[in-house]
Amino acid sequence: GAVVSQHPSWVICKSGTSVKIECRSLDFQATTMFWYRQFPKQSLMLMATSNEGSKATYEQGVEKDKFLINHASLTLSTLTVTSAHPEDSSFYICSAQTGDFTYEQYFGPGTRLTVT
Amino acid sequence: QQPVQSPQAVILREGEDAVINCSSSKALYSVHWYRQKHGEAPVFLMILLKGGEQKGHDKISASFNEKKQQSSLYLTASQLSYSGTYFCGTLGGSEKLVFGKGTKLTVNP
Repeated sequence: GAVVSQHPSWVICKSGTSVKIECRSLDFQATTMFWYRQFPKQSLMLMATSNEGSKATYEQGVEKDKFLINHASLTLSTLTVTSAHPEDSSFYICSAQTGDFTYEQYFGPGTRLTVT
Repeated sequence: QQPVQSPQAVILREGEDAVINCSSSKALYSVHWYRQKHGEAPVFLMILLKGGEQKGHDKISASFNEKKQQSSLYLTASQLSYSGTYFCGTLGGSEKLVFGKGTKLTVNP
C-alpha cells in the first residue's frame, strides 16, 4: 500500500513556458501533500504544503506566483512552474501524508525538470 | 531546525554493519528514516514515535532517545542493495518533516 505516483517523470521545456506536474496518492486519501525540490547531492528542500480544499502554504523564499499549487481532491495535487527559467531546472518530488497519527509520508518517484 | 546526521559518508564491505545517527536540538514527536538511490525518490524505511511505537521494515532496526532527541539507524549484515543516501526527517511542532543533509552509504562487494 501507500503508493504515490507523479507525472511526468521528466520534462524538458523552453524558457518562458509553464510546466504542470501531477502528484496522486493511488491507494489512500491524503489531506496533506508536500512539494520538495532537490538539487544534486543535496537534501530535500520543502517548497510548500498542500492541503485539500485550501490554499497552499509556501516556505520562506519560495515564490507562490511562480510555483502554483492546487490540491483539487484528496488524491491529487498539482504543481505548475510558471514562466520557467533555466535556474528552475531541478528534481521535484511530491509526498503524500497518511491521515493517521504517525504522519507518515510517502514520496512520488519525482519529476526531473530541465529548462533550456 | 535541520537535524544533524552523522557520519556524512560511510563505506562498507558486504556483510559489515553500520550505524547512522540523527540528532535534533528541539523536542521531537517522531523521527522518519528514508533511503534514496541516485535519481530516484526517497523510500520510506521506518518511523519512530515518541512513546516507543515504531513502524517500518522487518530488516531495518532503529532507536529513538526522546530525551536526547536522537535517533540511530542500524544496518546489519549489509547488502549491496543497501547503498544509497539515508535521510532522517524529524517532526516537531508541525506536520512538516525537516530533513537532515543525508548520509551516503556505499556497500562494496
